[in-house]
Amino acid sequence: DVKVTQSSRYLVKRTGEKVFLECVQDMDHENMFWYRQDPGLGLRLIYFSYDVKMKEKGDIPEGYSVSREKKERFSLILESASTNQTSMYLCASSTRQGQLFFGSGTQLSVL
Amino acid sequence: ILNVEQSPQSLHVQEGDSTNFTCSFPSSNFYALHWYRWETAKSPEALFVMTLNGDEKKKGRISATLNTKEGYSYLYIKGSQPEDSATYLCAFGGSARQLTFGSGTQLTVLP
Repeated sequence: DVKVTQSSRYLVKRTGEKVFLECVQDMDHENMFWYRQDPGLGLRLIYFSYDVKMKEKGDIPEGYSVSREKKERFSLILESASTNQTSMYLCASSTRQGQLFFGSGTQLSVL
Repeated sequence: ILNVEQSPQSLHVQEGDSTNFTCSFPSSNFYALHWYRWETAKSPEALFVMTLNGDEKKKGRISATLNTKEGYSYLYIKGSQPEDSATYLCAFGGSARQLTFGSGTQLTVLP
């Protein structure tokens, strides 16, 4: 059974903390993505990566960075968490044709 | 940022009813149109990836059509069941690597 695994289902952090969200896929996909989901706004792309050590900004990269040291792992980093980063974060990987496979999401609350 | 709109935002139907909803997207630079189903507490799952104008896809009681020239896709559910309750997301792709999502249609099927 193919999988995209996110390290935490729920996370509570304090303003100013550095936060790491980890994502691992076992499908040997080249493309990986981080989205956030907010009510009424749909999924918005933060960053994506199409190869190891490669990254590209999505629509809302401000306040985030990413790391892709291995093909199967894509990490999202909040350098200094803020309350407006409270959200559901979804990781995904995709086939060459673009079909996405999603993780189960991380609900992050920044207090 | 591309404009991808879904309507209606939410929908309540009775078990057995047939229903449909709409996704509107830019009619230029088209690569693919995706439909995903997102059930509560689960990961979004791909329903269809459509690439050609006039495409019609079917999976069980769910089908979708695509008009790239006018920039819309319809998703149909025949004989809705309570297990069809979910948020249905469409996503427009101008390339294989990057999708822009609509805000979704939340469907509730009442028994």
